[in-house]
Amino acid sequence: GEDVEQSLFLSVREGDSSVINCTYTDSSSTYLYWYKQEPGAGLQLLTYIFSNMDMKQDQRLTVLLNKKDKHLSLRIADTQTGDSAIYFCAEGTTSGTYKYIFGTGTRLKVLA
Amino acid sequence: DVKVTQSSRYLVKRTGEKVFLECVQDMDHENMFWYRQDPGLGLRLIYFSYDVKMKEKGDIPEGYSVSREKKERFSLILESASTNQTSMYLCASSFGGGMPYNEQFFGPGTRLTVL
Repeated sequence: GEDVEQSLFLSVREGDSSVINCTYTDSSSTYLYWYKQEPGAGLQLLTYIFSNMDMKQDQRLTVLLNKKDKHLSLRIADTQTGDSAIYFCAEGTTSGTYKYIFGTGTRLKVLA
Repeated sequence: DVKVTQSSRYLVKRTGEKVFLECVQDMDHENMFWYRQDPGLGLRLIYFSYDVKMKEKGDIPEGYSVSREKKERFSLILESASTNQTSMYLCASSFGGGMPYNEQFFGPGTRLTVL
């Protein structure tokens, strides 16, 4: 079945890089997404990558996609306390009506 | 600015009560979604709608129903609330048209507790 897996927790020191990993299963995914959820709020789109790309950079964010291994990662450079949040990866599936499959979410804690 | 609003931030109900969760979006989006969010399980899709009066089951529709009478409004109904429906409920909307890239915009969530 379709499943998107992430580790549940990550803790880093302020100023270090954070790497959040995700594995997915649907090989027909055309886009993969990273969403951020701050405490008490809904999710907001951070970035996305098209499935025929292997890397995308957007300021402090770098997304790496290994399509062969179905592995997606989000690297945050110079992590700040404001980056503390839950990060969800999601794959867009075109099986039937287009919708997302979300991962379990990774709670990032940034230590001052 | 896209805005998705949900009728309540916090709700406490008793077992067996009928519960309505309302979601309104102001961007003329065709698609609307209801998810529940539970620790360690991420977001799970309950129902979605791609047009007025149209609905499709998501991954966990049991115990829920939905209504979309107007394009901007999507309601989630718990016919007879049970304690295992205690959760955070998130509504989202997006443009339709079958585009492969399709950002979903989320409301702030409703934390429902069923006693």
